[in-house]
Amino acid sequence: GAVVSQHPSRVICKSGTSVKIECRSLDFQATTMFWYRQFPKQSLMLMATSNEGSKATYEQGVEKDKFLINHASLTLSTLTVTSAHPEDSSFYICSASWDSGDEKLFFGSGTQLSVL
Amino acid sequence: RKEVEQDPGPFNVPEGATVAFNCTYSNSASQSFFWYRQDCRKEPKLLMSVYSSGNEDGRFTAQLNRASQYISLLIRDSKLSDSATYLCVVNGGSSNTGKLIFGQGTTLQVKP
Repeated sequence: GAVVSQHPSRVICKSGTSVKIECRSLDFQATTMFWYRQFPKQSLMLMATSNEGSKATYEQGVEKDKFLINHASLTLSTLTVTSAHPEDSSFYICSASWDSGDEKLFFGSGTQLSVL
Repeated sequence: RKEVEQDPGPFNVPEGATVAFNCTYSNSASQSFFWYRQDCRKEPKLLMSVYSSGNEDGRFTAQLNRASQYISLLIRDSKLSDSATYLCVVNGGSSNTGKLIFGQGTTLQVKP
């Protein structure tokens, strides 16, 4: 099946620093990539949808200036958490879809961000 | 009301038991439905799609009731390896955009 690579898998950083997370589709061209956040014992919450070559569409309540998304190619999307704070500590997961017609998503392995 | 609601559990069952999970969704325009499995601090993995006619994959059976906006997952002959969180997932609208809404998940613990 399709593979989505996400890294780093774990990040521990100091408050105020910025963290970049990469999501790559390894064997297909991802027309759309999604970024989710998951707090403990909660569901995945969609943060934003990014399409290659255009600006990301953010969900209500997600600060676009804090969570910068770049989708410069059909195989790479990045999420940068700017000026991270402890409340940004969470599990971030990307997913990618291609025009398969059945809406199946392929997920990256996730990034556990801990902000001290 | 949450867009996708599930009983978080946990469901604690012995090996070999049959267990059923339910899920309700609020958007009547939703067209696609899935069950995903998520192990602790791992990415979700697609377990099965859910079709109106109901579908079965080995020990797993999924059913959809559009009138009641209700989805179910039945697991027969539970194995220890079935222990995980099961996510009910619904597409966010009538268009095929890939924007999926996840339920909170139902935790299953299968005991020896």
